[in-house]
Amino acid sequence: EAEVAQSPRYKITEKSQAVAFWCDPISGHATLYWYRQILGQGPELLVQFQDESVVDDSQLPKDRFSAERLKGVDSTLKIQPAELGDSAMYLCASSLFDAGELFFGEGSRLTVL
Amino acid sequence: AQRVTQPEKLLSVFKGAPVELKCNYSYSGSPELFWYVQYSRQRLQLLLRHISRESIKGFTADLNKGETSFHLKKPFAQEEDSAMYYCALSGSDYKLSFGAGTTVTVRA
Repeated sequence: EAEVAQSPRYKITEKSQAVAFWCDPISGHATLYWYRQILGQGPELLVQFQDESVVDDSQLPKDRFSAERLKGVDSTLKIQPAELGDSAMYLCASSLFDAGELFFGEGSRLTVL
Repeated sequence: AQRVTQPEKLLSVFKGAPVELKCNYSYSGSPELFWYVQYSRQRLQLLLRHISRESIKGFTADLNKGETSFHLKKPFAQEEDSAMYYCALSGSDYKLSFGAGTTVTVRA
């Protein structure tokens, strides 16, 4: 069964360092999402792509976060520089179309020391 | 702005007892409501959506527009229902917003 792949599963870094997360959605899924989940809270949407275009990045802290999906397939989320408050689970999800069921990856857990 | 509220962080019930997870929302238009579930060591996955009007794993949820609620119910809880449950809302922009989640523990 096709699944959303994310890497790395775990990342420990020091503040002010750069961090990157990768996501490979289910083949054929046009919509890709990056969510951040802080412990004890629900997932919060950071950025939403339709193919290679950003359709919503209103909650993305653009001074330090960037996301791209250059060929409309896999995607990278980058944080530079990382801050202590960035410690969270970063979830990637994809859907066949923008109103469809979201399929989530296992997530990348970031710890910033 | 759209907002989803799940007032219960934790819910503990005995096996065979009914379980109800509360979800309230605020949205000015006509939203689509969902319940997502995360079992231990598994991915977050869709449980049900209000437009399908299905019963999934014995769970049902009715959208009450007057009370702006979408509570999740099951008449007889099973141990395998122990999980984290998230209520979510999608508006006209198809942006999916999640509540904070409710951890359900079903005791034998």
